[in-house]
Amino acid sequence: KNEVEQSPQNLTAQEGEFITINCSYSVGISALHWLQQHPGGGIVSLFMLSSGKKKHGRLIATINIQEKHSSLHITASHPRDSAVYICAVKSSGGGADGLTFGKGTHLIIQP
Amino acid sequence: NAGVTQTPKFRILKIGQSMTLQCTQDMNHNYMYWYRQDPGMGLKLIYYSVGAGITDKGEVPNGYNVSRSTTEDFPLRLELAAPSQTSVYFCASSYRDTVYEQYFGPGTRLTVT
Repeated sequence: KNEVEQSPQNLTAQEGEFITINCSYSVGISALHWLQQHPGGGIVSLFMLSSGKKKHGRLIATINIQEKHSSLHITASHPRDSAVYICAVKSSGGGADGLTFGKGTHLIIQP
Repeated sequence: NAGVTQTPKFRILKIGQSMTLQCTQDMNHNYMYWYRQDPGMGLKLIYYSVGAGITDKGEVPNGYNVSRSTTEDFPLRLELAAPSQTSVYFCASSYRDTVYEQYFGPGTRLTVT
C-alpha cells in the first residue's frame, strides 16, 4: 500500500513569496497528481506527472522518480492561491484503480 | 459542458436511514470514482467503475453500494446509515484510468446523527 506524505501540513506566507510544497511516496507509481481544493470545497486538477517537470502560469511541478518525491512550486504567490494543495498517486502495482491521497497542505497567502 | 455534477449538496440522515448520492458526468468518460474525505485525512476510494456495467471495490467499500447502468451516471447508495459515514463525498471521472486528469464533482456533505 502506498503511503503519501506531504509537508508542510500548514503554510502561511506573504504575498509575493516563493512557495514550495513537498510530497513523498513509498512505492513505485505510474502517475502523480497535484490537486487544489478551494475554500468552498471544490477540487480541481493542477498537474499530472509521470516524469520531469511541468509548468502552468505561476505553478511548477517536478517529480524525481528515483527519490519518490515531488514538489509543487508557486512563484509570486497571491492571496487567491490560498487553498489546500493535495498530492495523489496512482501506484504502479496491481490492485484497485483510483488514487492514494496525501492529507493536503493548507496554504494561506497574506496580502 | 457541466462536467461532473453531484446531488444533493448537503444532507442530514438519521441512523439507519438510506439514501442515494447522485453523480453524473457529460464528458463521455469511461472511468468514474467515489471518494470520501474525512477531516484531517486524505480522500479514500470507496468504489470505482471502468465502464457501464462494471464496478469494483476500493479501499473503504463497507456500507456502500454502487451501480453503473449508463456511461453518464454512477450513483452511490448508503444502506443503514451510521455516524461513521458522516463525511464529504466526491465523485470523479477520467477519460481512462488514473494516469489521466481527474475531474471532480462539487461534493456532497453528509451528516448522520
